[in-house]
Amino acid sequence: NAGVTQTPKFQVLKTGQSMTLQCAQDMNHEYMSWYRQDPGMGLRLIHYSVGAGITDQGEVPNGYNVSRSTTEDFPLRLLSAAPSQTSVYFCASSYRPDNYGYTFGSGTRLTVV
Amino acid sequence: GENVEQHPSTLSVQEGDSAVIKCTYSDSASNYFPWYKQELGKRPQLIIDIRSNVGEKKDQRIAVTLNKTAKHFSLHITETQPEDSAVYFCAAGTPADYKLSFGAGTTVTVRA
Repeated sequence: NAGVTQTPKFQVLKTGQSMTLQCAQDMNHEYMSWYRQDPGMGLRLIHYSVGAGITDQGEVPNGYNVSRSTTEDFPLRLLSAAPSQTSVYFCASSYRPDNYGYTFGSGTRLTVV
Repeated sequence: GENVEQHPSTLSVQEGDSAVIKCTYSDSASNYFPWYKQELGKRPQLIIDIRSNVGEKKDQRIAVTLNKTAKHFSLHITETQPEDSAVYFCAAGTPADYKLSFGAGTTVTVRA
């Protein structure tokens, strides 16, 4: 049982490049989310999914896309990277986040130059 | 949506003293209140949680209290140790939209 696995752990992108952050969980959780963490701003929700085939926007969705083709995987795509997207990104999963909280992945530190 | 405010943003305590972090929430329907600890460079990890039908919960040196009438909850750490130094996040779970809303975090530093 690996929990929530995120790759890569570190990434440097040039402005305008695109990339996909991978997230996979093996706990059969229906709920998955992507958060970004910036100094002094806590954890901000980017996108979330309540099950395969269903996604929705969080509070800071601009510049990011997601898809949920399987229960296990929830990739986050940066369409055209900008310096403002320099952050630490966490994927998280849960049976029901409002009732059981989240299990977080180890994070991806992204720098856009 | 739910709005969670957390205070203070930074807290420095002497080893052995107590630390208290307070959070308020806006949605009276919220009924689940977890606390996460994030050590430097690591992921947030759940350390304790409380549900709306309980007023207080303890686990060794940490305790949480909940006042639903006032819509606030607190984390208490007693006999602080250097390994308690971390960022702590409170959160509130709202059943209407299945979401968990986080506070902005408190950086706790335990001085030896």
